[in-house]
Amino acid sequence: NAGVMQNPRHLVRRRGQEARLRCSPMKGHSHVYWYRQLPEEGLKFMVYLQKENIIDESGMPKERFSAEFPKEGPSILRIQQVVRGDSAAYFCASSSNPGGDGETQYFGPGTRLLVL
Amino acid sequence: SQKIEQNSEALNIQEGKTATLTCNYTNYSPAYLQWYRQDPGRGPVFLLLIRENEKEKRKERLKVTFDTTLKQSLFHITASQPADSATYLCALLNQAGTALIFGKGTTLSVSS
Repeated sequence: NAGVMQNPRHLVRRRGQEARLRCSPMKGHSHVYWYRQLPEEGLKFMVYLQKENIIDESGMPKERFSAEFPKEGPSILRIQQVVRGDSAAYFCASSSNPGGDGETQYFGPGTRLLVL
Repeated sequence: SQKIEQNSEALNIQEGKTATLTCNYTNYSPAYLQWYRQDPGRGPVFLLLIRENEKEKRKERLKVTFDTTLKQSLFHITASQPADSATYLCALLNQAGTALIFGKGTTLSVSS
């Protein structure tokens, strides 16, 4: 059973370009979470999605950032017109049974975005 | 707003000793608390989950306690080994039940 997969592992973009980060959840998981980890800071929640729905995007900047999790295919985190402050590690996690009696989130290896 | 703090950024101990990491939280009464391990350049890996009605949980050399009165969790690694060197994160589910709130982590270094 493959774990959470993210690609690319490393991404370099120039200011003003677009960054697309992909996440394939674990088999059987329909809940996906995106987190960002800045240097010397902890993991910060960005967005929580179920298939075709955004459940909670309270941690995602209102501008330039968007996320989707289509019926078919991976979840995508899209950053438009990147700025240097977007440089960070972006982690995706998935789960099968959030809330309720407790659940574990399984994390991918992350995508390290560097904006030049 | 919910806050979660891990008491120290770094902890250095000798091999064979017990490492104790602390996690404190405020403004919230979570149903459970989780501990993760993160190695450099990698994603967090789940270690243990402890519920509010559980005082203690063990897994091999790991032990977690949860004191809802003190709003604190302690994470212990007994008979520590250099391979235990990593950053350890505690996490709570937010009140909306939609995401984990992480502490900044404690980086443990075990020297031989």
